[in-house]
Amino acid sequence: EIVLTQSPGTLSLSPGERATLSCRASQSVTSSYFAWYQQKPGQAPRLLIYGASNRATGIPDRFSGSGSGTDSTLTISRLEPEDFAVYYCQQYGSSRLTFGGGTKVEIK
Amino acid sequence: EVQLVESGGGLVQPGGSLRLSCAASGFTFSDHYMDWVRQAPGKGLEWVGRTRNKANSYTTEYAASVKGRFTISRDDLNNSLYLQMNSLKTEDTAVYFCARAAVTYINHWGQGTLVTVSS
Repeated sequence: EIVLTQSPGTLSLSPGERATLSCRASQSVTSSYFAWYQQKPGQAPRLLIYGASNRATGIPDRFSGSGSGTDSTLTISRLEPEDFAVYYCQQYGSSRLTFGGGTKVEIK
Repeated sequence: EVQLVESGGGLVQPGGSLRLSCAASGFTFSDHYMDWVRQAPGKGLEWVGRTRNKANSYTTEYAASVKGRFTISRDDLNNSLYLQMNSLKTEDTAVYFCARAAVTYINHWGQGTLVTVSS
């Protein structure tokens, strides 16, 4: 089973700063099979990025994704107040989905 | 607008059973793969399993942690998804989300229903 490790666990930043979130798989995965989600307290997750780098419908262009081999990265170019949340990466392999443990982006 | 509404959660004793339902609307339910994902209190997301669509013979997949205890089914005539949970354990306590899948990712989520397994 592929394990996804997200880093850092917590990212403390100020509005307007750039956020870089990492996700590493325990073995090589098809890079286009990475996705990213945002979850706020008490809410369901929301799809941000699919296919490693495609923004989901309605997602602002300050969110971008990249990935290759075992690694995927989510970048938020300039943090807005509504972006402080928990972010999960996810991969698809062997007909199953696996999620990372999450990165919390908090206000510094 | 895609809507997924879960129901059926509640308190159940260890070893007991529970059936969750998900009512779908706003899209052609029969065309889509459907997943269940859970989240234990204060923890991350865990994929539970999937049912594929009719074109893919309604085949199912499960996480190792629930295989043999949980069963996913669907009723395309009534746009409904189900999760039958048997032999429940305390570690199955979680919010259970119904989700519409696009094979390699999930593109719509319900709001979830809480299942508590406790004596």
